Amino acid sequence: DTGVSQDPRHKITKRGQNVTFRCDPISEHNRLYWYRQTLGQGPEFLTYFQNEAQLEKSRLLSDRFSAERPKGSFSTLEIQRTEQGDSAMYLCASPETSGNTIYFGEGSWLTVV
Amino acid sequence: KQEVTQIPAALSVPEGENLVLNCSFTDSAIYNLQWFRQDPGKGLTSLLLIQSSQREQTSGRLNASLDKSSGRSTLYIAASQPGDSATYLCAVMTTDSWGKLQFGAGTQVVVTP
Repeated sequence: DTGVSQDPRHKITKRGQNVTFRCDPISEHNRLYWYRQTLGQGPEFLTYFQNEAQLEKSRLLSDRFSAERPKGSFSTLEIQRTEQGDSAMYLCASPETSGNTIYFGEGSWLTVV
Repeated sequence: KQEVTQIPAALSVPEGENLVLNCSFTDSAIYNLQWFRQDPGKGLTSLLLIQSSQREQTSGRLNASLDKSSGRSTLYIAASQPGDSATYLCAVMTTDSWGKLQFGAGTQVVVTP
């Protein structure tokens, strides 16, 4: 257990539906990162927060994606009007302030049918 | 743009053999390099972290080397065991993107009894 929890672990949804994933990072870590990983590939950066501020978004994050981190605590990643290409594992990462150790959650698997 | 490549993509060895996993990166301006292990359907577990000023790190049967000038890192796993079967991912953190990791696609390792 890394101390980073993600929910739900698995989600199957129909194309066109909206889904939301939640990440609870390690409480004293002020940065939080979201990554997406497809089968056979390494994780790819999506976005990150410093406290409640979203400081960077990848070009992978289309307009259908939105992320929030209210009060600098947990974070949510919402995908609207899901497409089959959104099927992937969505990982949350909580780095130590030094950046030396990065703790990953177990990931949230999304399958769009 | 930083690109991270891992060779081979897959590797199968009999139990007891030593494993050698390779990682190369294109931009030598890195803050650190990390090796992760990922079991099927799971999140990432950090194995070793090498700071840019270091040449190697060791933990038990694992040893990772870093040659920043040539853009290479190697992960050695001595006396492999079936429990070492997993995907191993290399990730770099560049100096202009603190906290954000650029991953390779991973090497899938199978250790047969």
